Amino acid sequence: SAVISQKPSRDICQRGTSLTIQCQVDSQVTMMFWYRQQPGQSLTLIATANQGSEATYESGFVIDKFPISRPNLTFSTLTVSNMSPEDSSIYLCSVARGGTGLYEQYFGPGTRLTVT
Amino acid sequence: DAKTTQPNSMESNEEEPVHLPCNHSTISGTDYIHWYRQLPSQGPEYVIHGLTSNVNNRMASLAIAEDRKSSTLILHRATLRDAAVYYCILRDVGETSGSRLTFGEGTQLTVNP
Repeated sequence: SAVISQKPSRDICQRGTSLTIQCQVDSQVTMMFWYRQQPGQSLTLIATANQGSEATYESGFVIDKFPISRPNLTFSTLTVSNMSPEDSSIYLCSVARGGTGLYEQYFGPGTRLTVT
Repeated sequence: DAKTTQPNSMESNEEEPVHLPCNHSTISGTDYIHWYRQLPSQGPEYVIHGLTSNVNNRMASLAIAEDRKSSTLILHRATLRDAAVYYCILRDVGETSGSRLTFGEGTQLTVNP
């Protein structure tokens, strides 16, 4: 298994500001992902965080809005930039030990973001 | 990505078995069937996965139809702690893209005491 921690666990931010969310894993993993879960909805994949290179973004998500870093095999950050109330969501970090569909995926507890 | 269809909600009584269905008529030969669940205020957690044969683990059983176009997650004795949203997800074993979990709407399971 993998134990994932996220910081902060929750935050209330003003529109126009930015928030950086940290994801720390207790052991090295191959894949790291960032998801968003808007109120009452399912999870949507934002991007795959790639070590040492630019993240791979899903359709509808762009680097300017959600810059991602992954400096090593256990840590990643997601920044939500120039926030608006529509960005109010739970943001979840997820990891997998392998790079194919054979590998179980683990999720962090999430960061609950409220933008006022 | 091949799509799955699940009922929006289901209800069960505590200590009774629960059968959660999933339809995936466009499944390909290299797609594994995965189930995850999300308890209230938590991130999703892995439940079980299979390819063709039925599978059992400590959490649940997975029954896969012979033509693989549908599957059923079986909780043998539901507890209150099993109340969650259950997601049925297809993942291609052979490609890196299969490592990305794509969530549908899932089934909200309510367990009555």
